[in-house]
Amino acid sequence: GAVVSQHPSRVICKSGTSVKIECRSLDFQATTMFWYRQFPKKSLMLMATSNEGSKATYEQGVEKDKFLINHASLTLSTLTVTSAHPEDSSFYICSARKAGGALIQYFGAGTRLSVL
Amino acid sequence: AQTVTQSQPEMSVQEAETVTLSCTYDTSESDYYLFWYKQPPSRQMILVIRQEAYKQQNATENRFSVNFQKAAKSFSLKISDSQLGDAAMYFCAYRRLQGAQKLVFGQGTRLTINP
Repeated sequence: GAVVSQHPSRVICKSGTSVKIECRSLDFQATTMFWYRQFPKKSLMLMATSNEGSKATYEQGVEKDKFLINHASLTLSTLTVTSAHPEDSSFYICSARKAGGALIQYFGAGTRLSVL
Repeated sequence: AQTVTQSQPEMSVQEAETVTLSCTYDTSESDYYLFWYKQPPSRQMILVIRQEAYKQQNATENRFSVNFQKAAKSFSLKISDSQLGDAAMYFCAYRRLQGAQKLVFGQGTRLTINP
């Protein structure tokens, strides 16, 4: 149990377009989901915390208008990179925590975004 | 703010041998959680082991064990009988007990297993 599916696994887009990444908890309800960004050979940087039915909490330095997060249901959160530019190219990872304040975060397999 | 430091960017070990990965952290809180996550080449983050700060006993999971030194704020991971499948990036992470329950990750240690 506790599977998190992230889609797509890889996306290539032109500069100026928007890209949506989905994160789904397949076999559990997730009241809280997290979005991370990982640069090559670097650690995971938390971008935002997403709570179902409310606005996401963004980390300092993350542009909320550029990285739109929606958590409309207990099993789905989406990250939309708006007007993507080459510097947004990165590996994006989501994680989900079971409802009820569970301790463990379960991670998706990540999405590699390449902006041309 | 809490910080997590992994001072070993890379480590290598012979297959079947034992290796220890280091992690230190900084916090002013007395209750918290610590984790080791593994990120293999597939990039999927996998939980290896966790430790609650209020527990004095070191956590173990099969070949994986930790040496938790609360006073020293140290949380090392020992991998016994290393296997080729253990090759991965290993991240140490901290989480507060209350309040913002996000994970704070260290920089990671790349572990290579030599056959």
